[in-house]
Amino acid sequence: GDSVTQKQGQVTLSEDDFLFINCTYSTTTYPTLLWYVQYPGQGPQLLLKVTTANNKGISRGFEATYDKGTTSFHLQKASVQESDSAVYFCALVDPSSFSKLVFGQGTSLSVVP
Amino acid sequence: GALVYQYPRRTICKSGTSMRMECQAVGFQATSVAWYRQSPQKTFELIALSTVNSAIKYEQNFTQEKFPISHPNLSFSSMTVLNAYLEDRGLYLCGARTGHQNTLYFGAGTRLSVL
Repeated sequence: GDSVTQKQGQVTLSEDDFLFINCTYSTTTYPTLLWYVQYPGQGPQLLLKVTTANNKGISRGFEATYDKGTTSFHLQKASVQESDSAVYFCALVDPSSFSKLVFGQGTSLSVVP
Repeated sequence: GALVYQYPRRTICKSGTSMRMECQAVGFQATSVAWYRQSPQKTFELIALSTVNSAIKYEQNFTQEKFPISHPNLSFSSMTVLNAYLEDRGLYLCGARTGHQNTLYFGAGTRLSVL
């Protein structure tokens, strides 16, 4: 079946550091790939999505490229702020059912001032 | 913009009792609603998918007898956890989308604690 893997469970950075969160996926279909961000006490919020291979999604300074060759969708940000502290989930959309998401394990980002 | 509201935000029930949670979509037509449960370890489990005017599809390990869902119109859905036990604890998330979109918008969730 489909799967999404995030190797990093926790990342701690200082403000203005570069962020890189690893995400790889496995599927036999042509999925849409997404990043959700979940702040404490809230549900996941869509951060960005990319529907086509080799395209890049950009939102609020975050970016991710849908790399079909390496089956990756890593999340990057040039300079993180304390307000970016949250849990980040990589996910793919099952094209047979747009409501069926396969989530990665999540990466908890902590940004210290 | 698209907003999804869930209530209650938190609830505590005694073991063996039931509780109902609600989901309201504002600003768009929720033709499809997905109910997820997020564990304390942050992993997600899909409980069921509901589309207006279609049968509700439950995932393996989840049944209508345990998690009955109602989706009567394009802005509202509810789910009940019957006979809740410790293993039912978690954050219950409602994700809604409109027919032509492949993006789920989530509410803040209902956190269920079971004593």
